[in-house]
Amino acid sequence: QVQLVQSGSELKRPGASVKISCKTSGYSFREYAMNWVRQAPGQGLEWMGWINTNTGKPTYAQGFTGRFVFSLDTSVSTAYLQISTLETEDTATYYCAREGSPNSFDPWGQGTLVTVSS
Amino acid sequence: QSALTQPASVSGSPGQSLTISCSGTSNDVGGYNYLSWYQQHPGKAPKLLIYNVSNRPPGISNRFSGSKSGNTASLTISGLQAEDEADYICSSYTNNDILVFGGGTKLTVL
Repeated sequence: QVQLVQSGSELKRPGASVKISCKTSGYSFREYAMNWVRQAPGQGLEWMGWINTNTGKPTYAQGFTGRFVFSLDTSVSTAYLQISTLETEDTATYYCAREGSPNSFDPWGQGTLVTVSS
Repeated sequence: QSALTQPASVSGSPGQSLTISCSGTSNDVGGYNYLSWYQQHPGKAPKLLIYNVSNRPPGISNRFSGSKSGNTASLTISGLQAEDEADYICSSYTNNDILVFGGGTKLTVL
């Protein structure tokens, strides 16, 4: 079955970087776009943007430009989210989500909690 | 782009039906049929319930149904069950070529 398995929780200091992986299986990786969604503790979902898994072209939502980078390794059917110069406000659970039908996400990864604290 | 507007909470008794609304504008909910609903249990990832306003993915119970009228979409849950207690979140494509989520609605089964 289709699965998205994300890397484990991270504890980082402000100013550090983090790279989250989203390993997929059960489908043809290049046929579906991959989206990233952030959920701060106790808050709602926030769309970060998406990456075209065929061309590798990323598109970032407002507020997620500059320090956020989406990338791929198609050889292992894996998407990545890298966040640099971490701030305490980046503390959140980050989800990858396959775009099954246009603008709908199914399934989602299990989420990766990134905690930024000094 | 502002988030879509959902009631913060709703509640119902087992067996009842209830509806959760998701309000937007003609730039998002009213302008496109790319309206989805997700269910999220505490500590879990969201799960797609409805896409394209009213379509259910395989494996989703027909107790869940979606509709839209103007700038407001609705998710109806019939035959409420204890396991339905969760957060429900809507999302919509927008004319800025971005996707926005609602703030989420916490459903309590009494």
